[in-house]
Amino acid sequence: DQQVKQNSPSLSVQEGRISILNCDYTNSMFDYFLWYKKYPAEGPTFLISISSIKDKNEDGRFTVFLNKSAKHLSLHIVPSQPGDSAVYFCVGNAGNMLTFGGGTRLMVKP
Amino acid sequence: DTGVSQDPRHKITKRGQNVTFRCDPISEHNRLYWYRQTLGQGPEFLTYFQNEAQLEKSRLLSDRFSAERPKGSFSTLEIQRTEQGDSAMYLCASSLVRGESGYTFGSGTRLTVV
Repeated sequence: DQQVKQNSPSLSVQEGRISILNCDYTNSMFDYFLWYKKYPAEGPTFLISISSIKDKNEDGRFTVFLNKSAKHLSLHIVPSQPGDSAVYFCVGNAGNMLTFGGGTRLMVKP
Repeated sequence: DTGVSQDPRHKITKRGQNVTFRCDPISEHNRLYWYRQTLGQGPEFLTYFQNEAQLEKSRLLSDRFSAERPKGSFSTLEIQRTEQGDSAMYLCASSLVRGESGYTFGSGTRLTVV
């Protein structure tokens, strides 16, 4: 039972354009959602989070949108930069456990 | 603040051997977590400590796995009688609180069982 799904395994975007990464979840007990970025041979790095009582959170180039009725969230990166190329994980937080999606590999082309 | 440290970075072991990994969390973080990531998948929760108390364990943590955090600082994860299916990246994370402030992950220990 995949509680967090990232249906796009990869995404390719031109530098300067917007990257939109999508995520669907099934567990209504998640009270926080987080996005992590991961480079090869490194641990995941925290990017941005959103509480389940909010619908938007913005931090610099990164904005996360939450649609609770649709159980869907998205991460917008604008403008995209080549250094953003990495695997992005959508994560639900319920209790003391993080539940990760399968990840989306973002490639930003110069 | 040197972040979360994990040792070793890589471990190759023969099937049936025991292995132990160490995690040093950020010093002021009282919460510590272990996750396992297999190829092409997202990390999966294994266990959670608050200070020295192990408060949650996943059913993924079979009886061959044991984790400790004896003084509420560093933690160890031991796998006994390793199997090829144990090959994975083992990630440690720490936090001060749960939720939106995020959890800091270490670089992981990659285990290969041959």
